[in-house]
Amino acid sequence: DTGVSQNPRHKITKRGQNVTFRCDPISEHNRLYWYRQTLGQGPEFLTYFQNEAQLEKSRLLSDRFSAERPKGSFSTLEIQRTEQGDSAMYLCASSFNRELPQHFGDGTRLSIL
Amino acid sequence: ILNVEQSPQSLHVQEGDSTNFTCSFPSSNFYALHWYRWETAKSPEALFVMTLNGDEKKKGRISATLNTKEGYSYLYIKGSQPEDSATYLCASPDAFQGGSEKLVFGKGTKLTVNP
Repeated sequence: DTGVSQNPRHKITKRGQNVTFRCDPISEHNRLYWYRQTLGQGPEFLTYFQNEAQLEKSRLLSDRFSAERPKGSFSTLEIQRTEQGDSAMYLCASSFNRELPQHFGDGTRLSIL
Repeated sequence: ILNVEQSPQSLHVQEGDSTNFTCSFPSSNFYALHWYRWETAKSPEALFVMTLNGDEKKKGRISATLNTKEGYSYLYIKGSQPEDSATYLCASPDAFQGGSEKLVFGKGTKLTVNP
């Protein structure tokens, strides 16, 4: 069973550096979602793709954040000029349609020094 | 903006106890209610997606009910086991943004089952 795969699992970086995370969804899923989770909170929606089109983007996603899903397969989330407040767990999920549950990866934990 | 609330925030029970927790959501513009279980160091795992008022779903010792008119869902665990220890999250699509795929999550209920 090839579930949702995220890399890296952990990322430690200095403030001001750029970071990029990758998500490989379940292959037959056309929908891909990014969430961010901080301590004591539930996951917060960041952005959503249907195939290669980015259809929704949260106001949480500042200009420093960008996401892509070339060819509707894997997705990358890049954070430029990282700040302390970017420290969080970044989760990726995929699904076949909106009536079905989302399948999550293990997440990438980002720590900003 | 949709607001999903869960209570209690955390819960400690003894092995063998039955327990339940609540998810509240706005009853207007309801579309669906998701329940997930998130164990430490693992990925969130889908338990149920519920759409119909009065719906009841069951998976082993875990069951859930849905009341869309009053805006709540209950998750029940019968005969809790230590392996049930996890954070239980509920989420609903932000139907206020008509057709949105955005899931709005509650903060979760952290369950600890003591042997």
